[in-house]
Amino acid sequence: AQSVSQHNHHVILSEAASLELGCNYSYGGTVNLFWYVQYPGQHLQLLLKYFSGDPLVKGIKGFEAEFIKSKFSFNLRKPSVQWSDTAEYFCAVNVYSSASKIIFGSGTRLSIRP
Amino acid sequence: KAGVTQTPRYLIKTRGQQVTLSCSPISGHRSVSWYQQTPGQGLQFLFEYFSETQRNKGNFPGRFSGRQFSNSRSEMNVSTLELGDSALYLCASSPTTLQGGDGGYTFGSGTRLTVV
Repeated sequence: AQSVSQHNHHVILSEAASLELGCNYSYGGTVNLFWYVQYPGQHLQLLLKYFSGDPLVKGIKGFEAEFIKSKFSFNLRKPSVQWSDTAEYFCAVNVYSSASKIIFGSGTRLSIRP
Repeated sequence: KAGVTQTPRYLIKTRGQQVTLSCSPISGHRSVSWYQQTPGQGLQFLFEYFSETQRNKGNFPGRFSGRQFSNSRSEMNVSTLELGDSALYLCASSPTTLQGGDGGYTFGSGTRLTVV
């Protein structure tokens, strides 16, 4: 069965530190990849998405992600985090098959120390 | 334009009761998907509706059902509630089905269901 793994459940960083959140998926066919963010008390928002083309995708608020097909990975990065980046981050995969759906990872809680 | 609207925001029900949750997608969006979010399980896919037809279904028991109306609004029903059904239920809309479109969702704020 298809699955999405986010290895870090809780990451704690200081402001201005660099961020990388890991995401791996298990599916050999065509996929679309997403990162969603859920700020405290708010709804899920799309951070960035990959469909085709340049494997380095830039999203909102300075986030970017790199799709490495050979590693089935789509890691999220930000060079310098801010306190306002405190949130839960979800990696998600849209598997193109006869019955498509978006599968979410379990999420990574990011806490930024001011 | 208005976002995805879910009602009610909060709900407390007793075990054994049934509940109906409502979702109004973004105007023009024809696909509505439902997810259950819990701290232990994360986001679990329930089902997707497109043009009043269920297109896809997750691994939930038959107590969970849904429907979509001609105006794309969707309802989700859970019968014979169990304590384990306590969760945040999220609705997400997209312009087309995941297969036909760019696959991105716009989520609502969710309905927090507590079963006591």
